Amino acid sequence: QMQLVESGGGVVQPGRSLRLSCAASGFTFNSYGMHWVRQAPGKGLEWVAFISNDGSNKYYVDSVRGRFTISRDNSKNTLYLQMNSLRAEDTAVYYCARDQKSLVFEGGYSYFYYMDVWGKGTTVTVSS
Amino acid sequence: DIQMTQSPSSLSASVGDRVTITCRASQSISIYLNWFQQKPGKAPNLLIYAASTLQSGVPSRFSGSGSGTDFTLTISSLYPEDFATYYCQQSYTSPQLTFGGGTKVEIE
Repeated sequence: QMQLVESGGGVVQPGRSLRLSCAASGFTFNSYGMHWVRQAPGKGLEWVAFISNDGSNKYYVDSVRGRFTISRDNSKNTLYLQMNSLRAEDTAVYYCARDQKSLVFEGGYSYFYYMDVWGKGTTVTVSS
Repeated sequence: DIQMTQSPSSLSASVGDRVTITCRASQSISIYLNWFQQKPGKAPNLLIYAASTLQSGVPSRFSGSGSGTDFTLTISSLYPEDFATYYCQQSYTSPQLTFGGGTKVEIE
């Protein structure tokens, strides 16, 4: 079955770095773009970053751009999130999710994108 | 940036009730709107994409409607397992995405 398993979370001091991993199985990893989404304690969901299936295109939310780097190793079926200069506000559960697309007719056929497979998350706590 | 606003932020309902959650986009997003369900301590689960297309395996009591800026998620008859938090998410600017603030459905 399709599965995503995050790892690498932990407690880290402000200003330090952490690298998260997301191991994929049960599907052809190199055919899909991938996302990182986070959720601060007691808060809602926040999209963090996206990488295309071949790693050539990357996008970030403004609050992490320049500090976080998303990457992937398709030979290892693994997604990464390198987090530098961590701040207290980066404290959250971090989820990886697969980007899926479907063709839907809406006045013509268009692709619609959604996150259809999620990992269980890994917790990052930034605290001194 | 497109902002997504959900209402209400929470609601109390009973098993068997019909529940409606609203999501409004700050600009027109056509039908580029997805709905997720999240239970405490669990990852989100996709319910609906493209505003009204039910994801495979999701019960038919869930339905979505709307286009442009106003969208609705309806649960026709609430089951005990439906008590959870629900999020809308716009994919108009995919792959850069925005979630709504969430609606917590609690037991009355």
